[in-house]
Amino acid sequence: EPEVTQTPSHQVTQMGQEVILRCVPISNHLYFYWYRQILGQKVEFLVSFYNNEISEKSEIFDDQFSVERPDGSNFTLKIRSTKLEDSAMYFCASSENRSGNTIYFGEGSWLTVV
Amino acid sequence: GENVGLHLPTLSVQEGDNSIINCAYSNSASDYFIWYKQESGKGPQFIIDIRSNMDKRQGQRVTVLLNKTVKHLSLQIAATQPGDSAVYFCAETRRPLSGYSTLTFGKGTMLLVSP
Repeated sequence: EPEVTQTPSHQVTQMGQEVILRCVPISNHLYFYWYRQILGQKVEFLVSFYNNEISEKSEIFDDQFSVERPDGSNFTLKIRSTKLEDSAMYFCASSENRSGNTIYFGEGSWLTVV
Repeated sequence: GENVGLHLPTLSVQEGDNSIINCAYSNSASDYFIWYKQESGKGPQFIIDIRSNMDKRQGQRVTVLLNKTVKHLSLQIAATQPGDSAVYFCAETRRPLSGYSTLTFGKGTMLLVSP
């Protein structure tokens, strides 16, 4: 069964450093997303991406964050100047359409900022 | 915003029982309501969805009921198995002006199934 894959599964970084989280969406999907989940809390939307541009973003997704599709398969989330409160599980997701009811999530990248 | 914390509502059942997990939603304009299962350390896994113009939808061992009058969604799991133990989230799709839907998740319910 096709799946969304994410790397790394866990990253520890020092406060102020930049991190890049990588994702390979399901191959025939055209819509890509990043969500995050702070420990013990609900999953929150960060950003959606379609046709090589951001289609929607939340208030969380400020200038500290950026996304990119550098080639035909990868989708990345860059977090600049990380803060302690950026520690969370970051989920990449993809879907075939934009209706939002068939979004498939990866296993997540656990980011710990120390 | 909503007040969320570390303690999830928990439903404990015996293997073989039927489980009912409930969710209240706030946005009457949502197109779809979806249930996700999240096992420890993993990403949300799609279980079943229901369109806003439907009341009931059945899948394999699962049924989702939508009551728009009281803005209530439920997930029924028949013959619950230990492998069903996980946190279950309801989510609703919202379509902002851009037209690209996003998911808004609820707080989650932990289901514990004992053999």
